[in-house]
Amino acid sequence: DIQMTQSPSSLSASAGDRVTITCQTSQDISNYLNWYQYKPGKAPELLIYDASNLKTGAPSRFSGSGSGTNFSFTITSLQPEDIATYYCQHSDPLLFTFGPGTAVAIK
Amino acid sequence: QVQLLQSGAEVKKPGASVKVSCKVSGYTLTKLSINWVRQAPGKGLEWMGGFDPEYGEPIYAPKFQGRVTVTEDTSTDTAYMDVTSLRSEDTAFYFCATLFELPTMDVWGQGTTVIVSS
Repeated sequence: DIQMTQSPSSLSASAGDRVTITCQTSQDISNYLNWYQYKPGKAPELLIYDASNLKTGAPSRFSGSGSGTNFSFTITSLQPEDIATYYCQHSDPLLFTFGPGTAVAIK
Repeated sequence: QVQLLQSGAEVKKPGASVKVSCKVSGYTLTKLSINWVRQAPGKGLEWMGGFDPEYGEPIYAPKFQGRVTVTEDTSTDTAYMDVTSLRSEDTAFYFCATLFELPTMDVWGQGTTVIVSS
Protein backbone atom coordinates (compact mmCIF):
# COMPACT_ATOMS: atom_id res chain seq x y z
CA ASP A 1 0.00 0.00 0.00
CA ILE A 2 1.09 3.53 -0.74
CA GLN A 3 1.46 5.73 2.32
CA MET A 4 0.94 9.45 2.03
CA THR A 5 2.07 12.21 4.34
CA GLN A 6 1.27 15.91 4.24
CA SER A 7 3.03 18.84 5.83
CA PRO A 8 2.11 20.86 7.73
CA SER A 9 -0.97 19.31 9.35
CA SER A 10 -2.33 22.80 9.87
CA LEU A 11 -1.32 26.38 9.14
CA SER A 12 -2.50 29.91 9.76
CA ALA A 13 -1.67 32.71 7.35
CA SER A 14 -2.79 36.22 6.55
CA ALA A 15 -5.03 37.07 3.63
CA GLY A 16 -2.84 37.66 0.60
CA ASP A 17 -0.06 35.38 1.82
CA ARG A 18 1.49 32.65 -0.28
CA VAL A 19 0.75 29.22 1.20
CA THR A 20 2.46 25.97 0.29
CA ILE A 21 1.51 22.43 1.33
CA THR A 22 3.66 19.40 0.62
CA CYS A 23 2.68 15.79 0.05
CA GLN A 24 5.09 12.86 0.11
CA THR A 25 4.35 9.31 -0.98
CA SER A 26 6.03 6.08 0.10
CA GLN A 27 6.74 5.03 -3.48
CA ASP A 28 7.04 6.58 -6.92
CA ILE A 29 3.59 7.45 -8.25
CA SER A 30 4.74 9.41 -11.31
CA ASN A 31 2.30 12.34 -11.57
CA TYR A 32 -0.84 10.48 -10.39
CA LEU A 33 -1.48 12.96 -7.61
CA ASN A 34 -4.49 15.18 -7.14
CA TRP A 35 -5.45 17.96 -4.71
CA TYR A 36 -8.87 18.50 -3.15
CA GLN A 37 -10.38 21.26 -1.07
CA TYR A 38 -12.84 20.16 1.62
CA LYS A 39 -15.21 22.31 3.63
CA PRO A 40 -17.24 20.51 6.32
CA GLY A 41 -20.62 19.28 5.12
CA LYS A 42 -19.87 20.10 1.48
CA ALA A 43 -18.67 17.83 -1.29
CA PRO A 44 -14.89 17.82 -1.79
CA GLU A 45 -13.78 20.03 -4.66
CA LEU A 46 -11.09 18.84 -7.08
CA LEU A 47 -8.62 21.66 -7.74
CA ILE A 48 -5.52 20.06 -9.27
CA TYR A 49 -5.22 16.76 -11.14
CA ASP A 50 -2.20 14.86 -12.38
CA ALA A 51 0.04 16.91 -10.08
CA SER A 52 -0.06 20.21 -11.95
CA ASN A 53 -3.21 20.57 -14.02
CA LEU A 54 -5.71 23.14 -12.82
CA LYS A 55 -9.27 21.89 -13.11
CA THR A 56 -11.36 24.05 -15.43
CA GLY A 57 -13.13 26.68 -13.39
CA ALA A 58 -10.81 26.48 -10.38
CA PRO A 59 -9.21 29.81 -9.41
CA SER A 60 -5.77 30.40 -10.92
CA ARG A 61 -4.27 31.18 -7.50
CA PHE A 62 -4.18 27.42 -6.95
CA SER A 63 -1.28 25.47 -8.45
CA GLY A 64 0.49 22.16 -8.04
CA SER A 65 3.84 20.68 -8.91
CA GLY A 66 5.99 17.63 -8.39
CA SER A 67 6.43 14.07 -9.54
CA GLY A 68 7.67 10.77 -8.20
CA THR A 69 7.33 10.96 -4.42
CA ASN A 70 7.37 14.69 -3.69
CA PHE A 71 4.59 17.10 -4.51
CA SER A 72 3.50 20.57 -3.52
CA PHE A 73 0.33 22.63 -3.64
CA THR A 74 0.39 26.44 -3.55
CA ILE A 75 -2.13 29.17 -3.01
CA THR A 76 -0.42 32.29 -4.34
CA SER A 77 -2.66 34.79 -2.51
CA LEU A 78 -4.75 33.35 0.30
CA GLN A 79 -8.37 34.46 0.28
CA PRO A 80 -10.95 34.18 3.11
CA GLU A 81 -12.94 31.68 1.04
CA ASP A 82 -9.90 29.38 0.93
CA ILE A 83 -10.40 28.43 4.57
CA ALA A 84 -10.70 24.65 4.30
CA THR A 85 -8.79 21.42 4.63
CA TYR A 86 -6.70 20.40 1.63
CA TYR A 87 -6.00 16.79 0.76
CA CYS A 88 -3.59 15.22 -1.64
CA GLN A 89 -4.89 12.04 -3.23
CA HIS A 90 -3.41 9.25 -5.31
CA SER A 91 -5.38 7.49 -8.04
CA ASP A 92 -4.18 3.94 -8.72
CA PRO A 93 -6.41 4.11 -10.97
CA LEU A 94 -8.94 1.75 -9.35
CA LEU A 95 -7.75 2.38 -5.79
CA PHE A 96 -7.77 5.81 -4.21
CA THR A 97 -5.74 7.01 -1.23
CA PHE A 98 -6.08 10.36 0.51
CA GLY A 99 -3.39 12.06 2.50
CA PRO A 100 -4.14 13.08 6.10
CA GLY A 101 -5.04 16.65 5.14
CA THR A 102 -3.82 20.17 5.92
CA ALA A 103 -6.17 22.56 7.66
CA VAL A 104 -5.74 26.16 6.45
CA ALA A 105 -6.89 29.06 8.63
CA ILE A 106 -6.63 32.81 8.32
CA LYS A 107 -4.93 34.88 11.00
CA GLN B 1 -23.74 17.38 -17.42
CA VAL B 2 -23.74 14.45 -15.03
CA GLN B 3 -25.18 14.96 -11.56
CA LEU B 4 -25.24 12.66 -8.55
CA LEU B 5 -28.15 12.89 -6.12
CA GLN B 6 -27.83 11.08 -2.80
CA SER B 7 -30.46 9.85 -0.38
CA GLY B 8 -31.32 11.68 2.80
CA ALA B 9 -29.87 11.62 6.29
CA GLU B 10 -30.04 8.45 8.36
CA VAL B 11 -29.97 7.76 12.09
CA LYS B 12 -29.15 4.21 13.04
CA LYS B 13 -28.48 2.23 16.20
CA PRO B 14 -25.19 0.41 16.75
CA GLY B 15 -25.18 -2.96 15.06
CA ALA B 16 -27.70 -1.94 12.42
CA SER B 17 -27.08 -1.50 8.69
CA VAL B 18 -27.52 1.50 6.42
CA LYS B 19 -27.98 1.72 2.67
CA VAL B 20 -27.12 5.00 0.94
CA SER B 21 -28.21 5.61 -2.64
CA CYS B 22 -26.67 7.73 -5.39
CA LYS B 23 -28.81 8.44 -8.44
CA VAL B 24 -27.13 9.44 -11.67
CA SER B 25 -28.76 12.01 -13.93
CA GLY B 26 -27.56 13.40 -17.23
CA TYR B 27 -25.58 10.27 -18.05
CA THR B 28 -25.68 6.49 -17.94
CA LEU B 29 -24.57 4.63 -14.84
CA THR B 30 -23.15 1.78 -16.92
CA LYS B 31 -20.49 4.13 -18.28
CA LEU B 32 -19.45 5.55 -14.90
CA SER B 33 -17.14 4.43 -12.11
CA ILE B 34 -19.00 5.26 -8.88
CA ASN B 35 -16.90 5.51 -5.74
CA TRP B 36 -17.74 6.13 -2.10
CA VAL B 37 -15.84 8.43 0.26
CA ARG B 38 -16.60 9.34 3.83
CA GLN B 39 -15.53 12.04 6.28
CA ALA B 40 -16.06 11.35 9.98
CA PRO B 41 -15.96 14.11 12.61
CA GLY B 42 -12.37 15.05 13.30
CA LYS B 43 -11.09 12.63 10.67
CA GLY B 44 -9.91 12.96 7.10
CA LEU B 45 -11.39 11.85 3.81
CA GLU B 46 -11.45 8.06 3.37
CA TRP B 47 -12.04 6.22 0.15
CA MET B 48 -14.24 3.22 0.99
CA GLY B 49 -14.71 1.45 -2.32
CA GLY B 50 -16.35 1.62 -5.70
CA PHE B 51 -17.40 -0.09 -8.88
CA ASP B 52 -15.68 0.35 -12.20
CA PRO B 53 -17.62 -0.90 -15.25
CA GLU B 54 -14.46 -1.86 -17.12
CA TYR B 55 -13.11 -3.84 -14.17
CA GLY B 56 -16.53 -5.43 -13.75
CA GLU B 57 -16.64 -5.96 -9.99
CA PRO B 58 -16.52 -3.88 -6.82
CA ILE B 59 -13.23 -2.87 -5.25
CA TYR B 60 -12.91 -2.05 -1.55
CA ALA B 61 -10.36 -0.38 0.65
CA PRO B 62 -8.91 -3.05 2.99
CA LYS B 63 -10.36 -1.29 6.03
CA PHE B 64 -13.92 -1.70 4.72
CA GLN B 65 -13.66 -5.11 3.04
CA GLY B 66 -16.36 -7.39 4.44
CA ARG B 67 -18.48 -4.65 6.01
CA VAL B 68 -19.26 -2.51 2.97
CA THR B 69 -21.05 -3.63 -0.18
CA VAL B 70 -21.34 -1.56 -3.33
CA THR B 71 -24.11 -2.42 -5.79
CA GLU B 72 -25.81 -0.87 -8.77
CA ASP B 73 -29.28 -0.89 -10.33
CA THR B 74 -28.69 0.00 -13.95
CA SER B 75 -32.44 0.09 -14.66
CA THR B 76 -32.75 3.18 -12.45
CA ASP B 77 -29.17 4.51 -12.84
CA THR B 78 -28.74 4.26 -9.09
CA ALA B 79 -25.69 3.11 -7.13
CA TYR B 80 -25.89 1.89 -3.56
CA MET B 81 -23.54 1.44 -0.64
CA ASP B 82 -24.43 -0.83 2.26
CA VAL B 83 -22.59 -0.62 5.55
CA THR B 84 -23.30 -3.33 8.10
CA SER B 85 -22.54 -3.72 11.81
CA LEU B 86 -22.60 0.03 12.34
CA ARG B 87 -20.70 1.51 15.25
CA SER B 88 -20.39 5.05 16.55
CA GLU B 89 -17.18 5.56 14.56
CA ASP B 90 -19.23 5.19 11.37
CA THR B 91 -20.97 8.48 12.09
CA ALA B 92 -19.91 10.54 9.09
CA PHE B 93 -20.76 12.33 5.89
CA TYR B 94 -20.85 9.79 3.06
CA PHE B 95 -20.28 10.91 -0.52
CA CYS B 96 -20.56 9.21 -3.87
CA ALA B 97 -18.30 10.46 -6.63
CA THR B 98 -17.42 9.58 -10.18
CA LEU B 99 -14.60 9.98 -12.66
CA PHE B 100 -16.44 11.84 -15.40
CA GLU B 101 -14.03 13.92 -17.46
CA LEU B 102 -10.82 13.58 -15.46
CA PRO B 103 -8.70 10.64 -14.20
CA THR B 104 -9.96 11.10 -10.65
CA MET B 105 -13.20 11.88 -8.82
CA ASP B 106 -14.40 15.12 -10.39
CA VAL B 107 -18.18 14.95 -9.90
CA TRP B 108 -19.60 14.44 -6.43
CA GLY B 109 -22.95 13.89 -4.79
CA GLN B 110 -24.13 16.32 -2.16
CA GLY B 111 -23.39 13.96 0.71
CA THR B 112 -25.46 11.92 3.12
CA THR B 113 -25.21 12.25 6.89
CA VAL B 114 -25.25 8.97 8.78
CA ILE B 115 -25.47 9.14 12.55
CA VAL B 116 -24.94 6.01 14.61
CA SER B 117 -26.23 6.43 18.13
CA SER B 118 -27.98 4.38 20.75
